This record gives sequence, structure tokens and C-alpha cells, in this order.
Amino acid sequence: DIQMTQSPSSLSSSVGDTVTITCRASQTISTYLNWYQQKPGKAPKLLIYATSTLESGVPSRFSGSGSGKDFTLTISNLQPEDLATYYCQQSYSAPLFTFGQGTKVEIK
Amino acid sequence: QVQLVESGGGLVKPGGSLRLSCAASGFTFSDYYMSWIRQAPGKGLEWLAYISSSSTYTNYAQSVKGRFTISRDNANNSLDLQINSLRAEDTAVYYCARNREGFSPSDAFDIWGQGAMVTVSS
Repeated sequence: DIQMTQSPSSLSSSVGDTVTITCRASQTISTYLNWYQQKPGKAPKLLIYATSTLESGVPSRFSGSGSGKDFTLTISNLQPEDLATYYCQQSYSAPLFTFGQGTKVEIK
Repeated sequence: QVQLVESGGGLVKPGGSLRLSCAASGFTFSDYYMSWIRQAPGKGLEWLAYISSSSTYTNYAQSVKGRFTISRDNANNSLDLQINSLRAEDTAVYYCARNREGFSPSDAFDIWGQGAMVTVSS
């Protein structure tokens, strides 16, 4: 199975900062990488699919990049409502899917 | 609006069984592949099972193969997950989710239900 490793596991930043979360796959997954946002007590929400395509309605301050094994989720101009845990997920081996362990973003 | 609503969660004794259901609305259910995903308390997300739009294909995570069965009823826009031989480690919130592009590496889970809590305890 393809393992997904996120770093850091948690971070704390101020409103207006730029935040970067990384996700590494145990083998190459091309650009078949998705990102989800899970706010406290809520279901996850798809943010970005295929590495860099924003899901409809997602603010443009969210962006994704990468290919192969290494991927990045960037949140520019961090807002209070971005308080959440973010998960990466590979779909390269669909219909077997794996998620990263999550990165908790806190607002200072 | 596009919506998935899970039901059937609850407290179950170890070794027991449970059937979760997911009611879909706001989209053509029979056009989409569907999945079940769970989240243990304070933990991350674990994909469990997947079913094709016409039920001809299913796939399971190795961790639940043989104990979990995914099924669907397109006439009633519903998705089920039968869970047998429940263990304490099955305690989790169970989500149903829509696969935006089934059977493709470009797939992703674009719609999620609110989740159903399953607690396995004596």
C-alpha cells in the first residue's frame, strides 16, 4: 500500500501569515493527490484535487503543488476560519485510497 | 441540495453486527461510485470500502476485508455498510462519501455525509 506522510503534524500561525503543509508519498503517485479540510466536529471537505485544482467555492488563498512523491498545500493570508485539520489523500492506486495522518492548523 | 445523510450508528457489544445506511439526495445517485470512510476518536481518516455505480465492483481496505460489506440500492438512492464481528477498534465515526470520478486515479471524495458514530463496548 502507498503510505502518505504529512508534516508538520500541527502548526500555529497568525492571521495573514502564509502556511505550508507538506505531504510525501511512499512511491511516485504522479499528480493524483487530493487535499481535504476538516473543521472541528465537522465532516471533511474536498479542497483541492489532482494536486492543484481548487474545488468549486474554495477560496483562492488555498493552493496546491507538487508531483511524483512530494506535494504542498499552501494557505496564503491565513484567516480565522482556516482553523482545521488538513489531510492529503492519494488516488493513484484507486480504488485503494490512503490518507495522510493530518496536519492541525491553529491560529495564534 | 446535494446531500448524504448517514443513519444506523449506535452502541454495539463486541462480536455484534451493525448496518449503516446513507441516504443520497440532490444528485443522480446511480451515476456515481460511492465509498465508506471512518475516523476513530481523535485519529485520522481511513478509507474502508468502495462500490461501483451499478454494484458490479466492490473493493475493501485489507483491514476490514471479510467483515465489512458495502452495498447499494439505486432505486432508493441508498448506500449501506454491513459490519460484522465488531471489535473495540471499530469504534469510529463512519462517513459515506461520493467518488467524483469512479475507477480513475483522478478520483476524490467530493461530497461527505455528516457521519454516524459507532461505539463498540461491552
